[in-house]
Amino acid sequence: GAGVSQTPSNKVTEKGKYVELRCDPISGHTALYWYRQSLGQGPEFLIYFQGTGAADDSGLPNDRFFAVRPEGSVSTLKIQRTERGDSAVYLCASSAYGGVVDTQYFGPGTRLTVL
Amino acid sequence: AQSVSQHNHHVILSEAASLELGCNYSYGGTVNLFWYVQYPGQHLQLLLKYFSGDPLVKGIKGFEAEFIKSKFSFNLRKPSVQWSDTAEYFCAVNPPDSNYQLIWGAGTKLIIKP
Repeated sequence: GAGVSQTPSNKVTEKGKYVELRCDPISGHTALYWYRQSLGQGPEFLIYFQGTGAADDSGLPNDRFFAVRPEGSVSTLKIQRTERGDSAVYLCASSAYGGVVDTQYFGPGTRLTVL
Repeated sequence: AQSVSQHNHHVILSEAASLELGCNYSYGGTVNLFWYVQYPGQHLQLLLKYFSGDPLVKGIKGFEAEFIKSKFSFNLRKPSVQWSDTAEYFCAVNPPDSNYQLIWGAGTKLIIKP
């Protein structure tokens, strides 16, 4: 079946602009994760959804970052007033039920560049 | 700060060489451990995982990893690498205070010379 998809694959924006990054998880997966991967680093946890609700948003760096999953499938990560330091690859992963025993399946990522 | 360390950022080997990639973590208590791989142009995918039981874990494509609790390590090994093993390898740890968070190492880029 189809894997996790993310759009756009690349996004270039100017400092101060607003961006939205989309994640389509594997159909039927209730758990969805967002990560940020900076150059030369491993992924960094941002937020975890279980169904429609954000079960843990402790990884969001500040209040410029927000994510939603209104119908329990597609999720959108929203970044306001982008800064150059937001440049990174944003990864989405989904798993069937959530919890660490459940394998996370990753999407290809969105490469965000803030000029 | 608690962390996951992968000390080798780049490794270059010839085909048929043996591989060992280091992973150390600084969390006390019970942890769950993972190795993920990202082949060129592909998504991150799970290579193997350890939750409990036999500390020697076998994964896909002939990889294995050994959990040594006393050394806080979970090193990845393969007896004989192939050119197709060229990829970036990430170690990740699920710390004791969470049942879903993964804390990741910085990754090791492995290049296999044909």
